[in-house]
Amino acid sequence: AQSVAQPEDQVNVAEGNPLTVKCTYSVSGNPYLFWYVQYPNRGLQFLLKYITGDNLVKGSYGFEAEFNKSQTSFHLKKPSALVSDSALYFCAVRPSNDYKLSFGAGTTVTVRA
Amino acid sequence: DAGITQSPRHKVTETGTPVTLRCHQTENHRYMYWYRQDPGHGLRLIHYSYGVKDTDKGEVSDGYSVSRSKTEDFLLTLESATSSQTSVYFCAIRGQGEGSPLHFGNGTRLTVT
Repeated sequence: AQSVAQPEDQVNVAEGNPLTVKCTYSVSGNPYLFWYVQYPNRGLQFLLKYITGDNLVKGSYGFEAEFNKSQTSFHLKKPSALVSDSALYFCAVRPSNDYKLSFGAGTTVTVRA
Repeated sequence: DAGITQSPRHKVTETGTPVTLRCHQTENHRYMYWYRQDPGHGLRLIHYSYGVKDTDKGEVSDGYSVSRSKTEDFLLTLESATSSQTSVYFCAIRGQGEGSPLHFGNGTRLTVT
């Protein structure tokens, strides 16, 4: 069975500062890793994914994430946060040979002006 | 939102009544999923489908059943609603490409009184 941990319930940063949202995972076999963002009263929007290849993946809205196999981590990053990045962020994982996608509990990001 | 429509968007029902939520897609995708979202738990998989009449249980399937009689529709039924099933329910679809992400509907907010 796979699982995802997002160790921080909340992350607070000032606008213009770097933003990091942490994620670690546990899975049998090769992982497919994803980040999603949810704005209030909306569904989840896909940000980026790691399937294979380069450990640094780039996604929507200037976000990127780094896959670290030895640390089983997939942290989300943005070099310069915007107030509009304030939202709920979810990390998710599924084994490459399975249909089921498992989510972390989510991290609320607040970017203050 | 990736051609996914959930209905109804909001529903209030009484304990013990059956409830059916509908997910309709226009993308002709093979895979469809039902998740529930609760504070502190992230999204938890209820059931999923990998084709017409092909479904399987997720991690929180007790008290729920699903049906998929055609590609575009995936129904979630609460056989006898309980207060613990008060939640926001999300449908998602996925294409067949390697590592394809899930795309989510806008959710159904269900309250069981």
